[in-house]
Amino acid sequence: GQNIDQPTEMTATEGAIVQINCTYQTSGFNGLFWYQQHAGEAPTFLSYNVLDGLEEKGRFSSFLSRSKGYSYLLLKELQMKDSASYLCAVKVVGYQKVTFGIGTKLQVIP
Amino acid sequence: DTGVSQDPRHKITKRGQNVTFRCDPISEHNRLYWYRQTLGQGPEFLTYFQNEAQLEKSRLLSDRFSAERPKGSFSTLEIQRTEQGDSAMYLCATGVNEQFFGPGTRLTVL
Repeated sequence: GQNIDQPTEMTATEGAIVQINCTYQTSGFNGLFWYQQHAGEAPTFLSYNVLDGLEEKGRFSSFLSRSKGYSYLLLKELQMKDSASYLCAVKVVGYQKVTFGIGTKLQVIP
Repeated sequence: DTGVSQDPRHKITKRGQNVTFRCDPISEHNRLYWYRQTLGQGPEFLTYFQNEAQLEKSRLLSDRFSAERPKGSFSTLEIQRTEQGDSAMYLCATGVNEQFFGPGTRLTVL
């Protein structure tokens, strides 16, 4: 099976930068995803990494190290609306299902 | 808008009753997924369809759960003899790698 670890809660200040880490253990790794989920809403796709390195998309960036089983999501210029849960998820070769971590609840404070 | 609608958005039922949820991808998507999410957890994979074929099914899906996608377009998820532990958000998603979720159906079993 897959094991995904991420912090349960984080707090950061408006305008600052925050890094949310995710470690995973799996065989047949075939991609890592980050999703944002506001309370009471469905998850929305943020990023997909399958190769090592940094993917930048506006204020959000995602990094992957396959050899270390490690990823992070970097959020810059934090805004109050970024308060949400951030879900790390992995996919394995041969399967279409995605396995999610429990999510990191980020609170952005003024 | 992810192009995925779900109906109903909320369902309250009594223990022992049967319930059915519907997922409608607006445009043609040959891949369709069902997930279940309880409070404080990430989504858990239930099942995957490619067109009308159900190709993956989680061990979480007991005999009380059944899903169909008869014409490869909309899909239904039925839960028979509901239990209080079935209370959750049921999410439908489409996509090839990244998954785009519908708004979900929140089920409460009394």
